[in-house]
Amino acid sequence: GQNIDQPTEMTATEGAIVQINCTYQTSGFNGLFWYQQHAGEAPTFLSYNVLDGLEEKGRFSSFLSRSKGYSYLLLKELQMKDSASYLCAMGGGADGLTFGKGTHLIIQP
Amino acid sequence: DAGITQSPRHKVTETGTPVTLRCHQTENHRYMYWYRQDPGHGLRLIHYSYGVKDTDKGEVSDGYSVSRSKTEDFLLTLESATSSQTSVYFCAISVAGTSGSMNEQFFGPGTRLTVL
Repeated sequence: GQNIDQPTEMTATEGAIVQINCTYQTSGFNGLFWYQQHAGEAPTFLSYNVLDGLEEKGRFSSFLSRSKGYSYLLLKELQMKDSASYLCAMGGGADGLTFGKGTHLIIQP
Repeated sequence: DAGITQSPRHKVTETGTPVTLRCHQTENHRYMYWYRQDPGHGLRLIHYSYGVKDTDKGEVSDGYSVSRSKTEDFLLTLESATSSQTSVYFCAISVAGTSGSMNEQFFGPGTRLTVL
């Protein structure tokens, strides 16, 4: 089976940096995904890691350590529009994704 | 947006009635998925399909059935709706993404179902 843990809620300040952590347990690893979901909308893809290390994509970066069962999403130069839920998910095979419960990020001015 | 639509977008029904939700895609993707999203649980997989007439169960399949008679349509049926099936239902398709993943998922806009 698979299990994913991430914080329920985080608060950060506009212009700052925030790191959202995700820990997981799995019997088989196919990849680690991060999705963003604004209230009332569908999740949208942010990043994918299958190898250890950091993947950078503009203001967003994602890190993976397979030996530690750990990932984080790093958001820089925070903007008010970054207020959303961030979902950590495992998968990559054809049988769908297993999601964590999501981290609700609140950006304060 | 990967050409995914869901219908209806909102539905209110009564306990015991049958309900069918439709997911339609326009880009001939092979893999399609149904998830439900509930507060405190996150997104959970109900059923998925890997081709016409080929489907399999996900984590929370009890009380749900699916059908895929055409590549473009994936139907989710609640044979006899219960209040515990009140949820937001998302359809997704899976593609080989630019990230290197062979199964990057794109989601439809969702259907909000309320069972009274």
